[in-house]
Amino acid sequence: NAGVTQTPKFRILKIGQSMTLQCTQDMNHNYMYWYRQDPGMGLKLIYYSVGAGITDKGEVPNGYNVSRSTTEDFPLRLELAAPSQTSVYFCASSSSGSPGANVLTFGAGSRLTVL
Amino acid sequence: AQKVTQAQTEISVVEKEDVTLDCVYETRDTTYYLFWYKQPPSGELVFLIRRNSFDEQNEISGRYSWNFQKSTSSFNFTITASQVVDSAVYFCALSEAGNYGGATNKLIFGTGTLLAVQP
Repeated sequence: NAGVTQTPKFRILKIGQSMTLQCTQDMNHNYMYWYRQDPGMGLKLIYYSVGAGITDKGEVPNGYNVSRSTTEDFPLRLELAAPSQTSVYFCASSSSGSPGANVLTFGAGSRLTVL
Repeated sequence: AQKVTQAQTEISVVEKEDVTLDCVYETRDTTYYLFWYKQPPSGELVFLIRRNSFDEQNEISGRYSWNFQKSTSSFNFTITASQVVDSAVYFCALSEAGNYGGATNKLIFGTGTLLAVQP
């Protein structure tokens, strides 16, 4: 099993450009999450989804959009890239919402630089 | 509000020293889970341990041990006889079981402690 796959691994964007970070999981997990990790900081939740067609904001959603049309995919869209969005992005998934039942499976991360 | 504090930004030790990483948390829930993750220089997140709020027994796994104390809202992590391969950023995290609503398994992370083990 591949687990959680993120693409691209690295990307450099110019200010104002748009892009989509892709996240796919092959574990049939209902719950999916996007986190960002800024230098010297912990991970902060951007958006999450509890199933296909259902998404909700996390702690730092501004500047991002998500969709969940299938169970497997949870893309993160940056519409107008800004230097403040320079970060490492992690996608994660879980089969349920209970932290006692399931530990999150994380992807390898996508490093985004906005210049 | 939920919060996780890791006051130690960086720790440097010499190989074979013992080191303790501190974690203090805040939550309203009576049922919650605490985690430790390791992030080596390669960047991936490695799950180390999960603990629920009803189990205050200390846990030992090889050179790793965890001390959970609800009275002080702390969940500290000790590495015994540290090795160079232990060099990484270590994150403590909290997830609430949803006493005030449905659980969503969202993690709240601390800012991490960078551990450097010198040979």
